[in-house]
Amino acid sequence: AQSVTQLGSHVSVSEGALVLLRCNYSSSVPPYLFWYVQYPNQGLQLLLKYTSAATLVKGINGFEAEFKKSETSFHLTKPSAHMSDAAEYFCAVSDGANNAGNMLTFGGGTRLMVKP
Amino acid sequence: DSGVTQTPKHLITATGQRVTLRCSPRSGDLSVYWYQQSLDQGLQFLIQYYNGEERAKGNILERFSAQQFPDLHSELNLSSLELGDSALYFCASSPRWGQANTGELFFGEGSRLTVL
Repeated sequence: AQSVTQLGSHVSVSEGALVLLRCNYSSSVPPYLFWYVQYPNQGLQLLLKYTSAATLVKGINGFEAEFKKSETSFHLTKPSAHMSDAAEYFCAVSDGANNAGNMLTFGGGTRLMVKP
Repeated sequence: DSGVTQTPKHLITATGQRVTLRCSPRSGDLSVYWYQQSLDQGLQFLIQYYNGEERAKGNILERFSAQQFPDLHSELNLSSLELGDSALYFCASSPRWGQANTGELFFGEGSRLTVL
């Protein structure tokens, strides 16, 4: 069974500071990994994904994540936080797109707060 | 706009009642997934349908049921509602396997259910 652990349910940073949201996964097969963002009263929007190509993945809004197999991690970073980055972020894992579908297992989420 | 449409956006009902949530997937997507998001349980996978057939089942209560119709829209039926069923219910869709499917799910904006 796959699982995802997001360390820190709440992270607070100052505007302009580095954003680091942590994600560790467990998977019995080479995983596909995703970061989604959820703004208040909205659905989940894909930020970026790792699907066994480059280990450093760039996404929207200046976010990137690095897949580290040895550490079973897929941490999300952004060099400089903006107020508009305040949202909840979810890391997710699947066993890859296949004929049975793409069921994702999500972590518990990390709420990012950005202080002026 | 993900292309996934969910109705209603908000629903308030009483304990013991039954409700139906509707989802229209993106054009051409054959898979539909239902997730429940609550404060205490996070994002939980409920059930997946692929081209009208149930494909995977998660933590779905027996009081809940779903189906996918020939036009590929899906409905999630929740009956004998309890206070604890109050949550945000998301529908997501994905392309068929082998057709530009890179593993991610496309989420609707959710249906917020409040049980009083």
